[in-house]
Amino acid sequence: AQKITQTQPGMFVQEKEAVTLDCTYDTSDPSYGLFWYKQPSSGEMIFLIYQGSYDQQNATEGRYSLNFQKARKSANLVISASQLGDSAMYFCAMREARNYGQNFVFGPGTRLSVLP
Amino acid sequence: ETGVTQTPRHLVMGMTNKKSLKCEQHLGHNAMYWYKQSAKKPLELMFVYSLEERVENNSVPSRFSPECPNSSHLFLHLHTLQPEDSALYLCASSPSDRGHLNTEAFFGQGTRLTVV
Repeated sequence: AQKITQTQPGMFVQEKEAVTLDCTYDTSDPSYGLFWYKQPSSGEMIFLIYQGSYDQQNATEGRYSLNFQKARKSANLVISASQLGDSAMYFCAMREARNYGQNFVFGPGTRLSVLP
Repeated sequence: ETGVTQTPRHLVMGMTNKKSLKCEQHLGHNAMYWYKQSAKKPLELMFVYSLEERVENNSVPSRFSPECPNSSHLFLHLHTLQPEDSALYLCASSPSDRGHLNTEAFFGQGTRLTVV
């Protein structure tokens, strides 16, 4: 069964506008971490932001914020003031406490294109 | 510089060749991962090593053979590959215990493999 779902294969946003990338996850483990990565065309995976399952507040890192809705098992990434350099693939990932948190499971990704 | 180095960056090999991919990290992490990223599929976890022991093998064909001689190095030995094995192969590392759920996986820049 798919543990991480990203329902938007591709998204377009106008430069300087905000965009939300969706992520839903499935786990029975009460302790887990959620991560967002950016992958430009060069291929490297760049870590953006983290949200823990016990965190009371939504995570923020500069222009990135995470809309964490635990009961709905969703962890959407919000990018504010989009820039042309934000065009890339974005992956949501989860790490569960079982198996000593060894496994990172990734979603299928969303390709974001920022339009000038 | 992510702290995880993969070599080579690009590799073209014939179906009868034997080659190896190398991954090295000096971040003090005790878990290392191989992921495969194909053009039309999500990031697929292939192997996980924790404390130099293989803890995950996600039904990967035997033509892929991992080796983890120490906590800093991870290899992926390739032999008699098929054209459909052409993909980006990503190595990652992370601390491996429940106390580090909030630590992201650090990725190398990947090896782009083409099987001809």
